[in-house]
Amino acid sequence: EIVLTQSPGTLSLSPGERATLSCRASQTVTNDYLSWYQQKPGQAPRLLIHAASNRATGIPDRFSGSGSGTDFTLTISRLEPEDFAVYYCHQTAHPPLTFGGGARVEMK
Amino acid sequence: QVQLVESGGGVVQPGGSLRLSCEASGFSLNNNFMLWVRQTPGKGLEWVGVLQTNGIDQFVADSVRGRFTISRDLSKNTVHLEMNSLRPEDTAVYYCAKGAGWVALYWGQGTLVSVSS
Repeated sequence: EIVLTQSPGTLSLSPGERATLSCRASQTVTNDYLSWYQQKPGQAPRLLIHAASNRATGIPDRFSGSGSGTDFTLTISRLEPEDFAVYYCHQTAHPPLTFGGGARVEMK
Repeated sequence: QVQLVESGGGVVQPGGSLRLSCEASGFSLNNNFMLWVRQTPGKGLEWVGVLQTNGIDQFVADSVRGRFTISRDLSKNTVHLEMNSLRPEDTAVYYCAKGAGWVALYWGQGTLVSVSS
């Protein structure tokens, strides 16, 4: 099983600042099949990024994904008020599919 | 547009069974991957399983293997999660999702399952 470790657990930032979230895999994620989701309270997760760096339809370009192999990053270039949420990385390379533990971006 | 509506959640005693349903609209289940993901209250996400496009083959998490089964009814455009031998640790909100491959692209609103005596 591929274990995904997200860091930091919580990021305290202000609107307009840059957020950088990390996701490290315990083994290589084949084909970089790594996705990122955003989840707000009471809502289902929303797909932001798939295959490490491809934005899903309708996702603003302030969200970007990068990385390969075992180290991946989600960057939010300038935080908007609606971006304060929990973010999860997720690998779909090998069953069992796994999620990271989540990273909360909170308003400072 | 794609819509997924889960139902069937509720309170069940340990050892009991429950069948969740996910009615899809805006697309056909035929030739689509369908996934189930759960979330323990206040905690993170856990992948439960995926039904392959042929509607027969499936992969499920080790934590539910032998107890949970995914199936679909094309006539009702509905996918089911059959859950047996339920445990307290199965308490969660269960989401179904339409996959783009194994990537959960569209999600339902979730249904809460509580396993408690």
